[in-house]
Amino acid sequence: GQSLEQPSEVTAVEGAIVQINCTYQTSGFYGLSWYQQHDGGAPTFLSYNALDGLEETGRFSSFLSRSDSYGYLLLQELQMKDSASYFCAVKRGGNKLTFGTGTQLKVEL
Amino acid sequence: GAVVSQHPSWVICKSGTSVKIECRSLDFQATTMFWYRQFPKQSLMLMATSNEGSKATYEQGVEKDKFLINHASLTLSTLTVTSAHPEDSSFYICSAFKQVSNNSPLHFGNGTRLTVT
Repeated sequence: GQSLEQPSEVTAVEGAIVQINCTYQTSGFYGLSWYQQHDGGAPTFLSYNALDGLEETGRFSSFLSRSDSYGYLLLQELQMKDSASYFCAVKRGGNKLTFGTGTQLKVEL
Repeated sequence: GAVVSQHPSWVICKSGTSVKIECRSLDFQATTMFWYRQFPKQSLMLMATSNEGSKATYEQGVEKDKFLINHASLTLSTLTVTSAHPEDSSFYICSAFKQVSNNSPLHFGNGTRLTVT
């Protein structure tokens, strides 16, 4: 079966750095993506890692270790608007994405 | 702006009736679209892959006769929830890739919140 595990909830203060981990076990792997979803809204794409290492996009960075079946999303200089749910997702064959359990991030003043 | 449009954004229906949800790709052709379902505070679960001009492929455990998918054109896929029951109440979201490359993002519609009474 497919399994992507994330912490259910993370709380941090504005301006801080937070890391959201994702461990996966899937049949087929082409890459790991991260999506952000605000309450009631559609998921939006943040980043994608096909190879091991760190990808940086502004305040967000994503890391992948294929040998460890592990990745993380790093959010820097947290802002209140970053409060949302974050999902990792594995890209499998047929361009299908399997999503992780999701992490609710709460940013406090 | 929006890349994928979904309609309606919310619908309330009575138990036993059918509901149709439309998903359109804007300014690009989508031979494949993906339908997800999301229960409150839970993850997105892939229901089926909609293929233009051919039958949809359903994920394990998803009833194809209950969730009818039609992909009649390169820009439109529809999901019909037949004989809806309260347990079908959920957030249904369609999605498509605008480009077929490794790092291209999956674009989601704004979702349809279905409530079956």
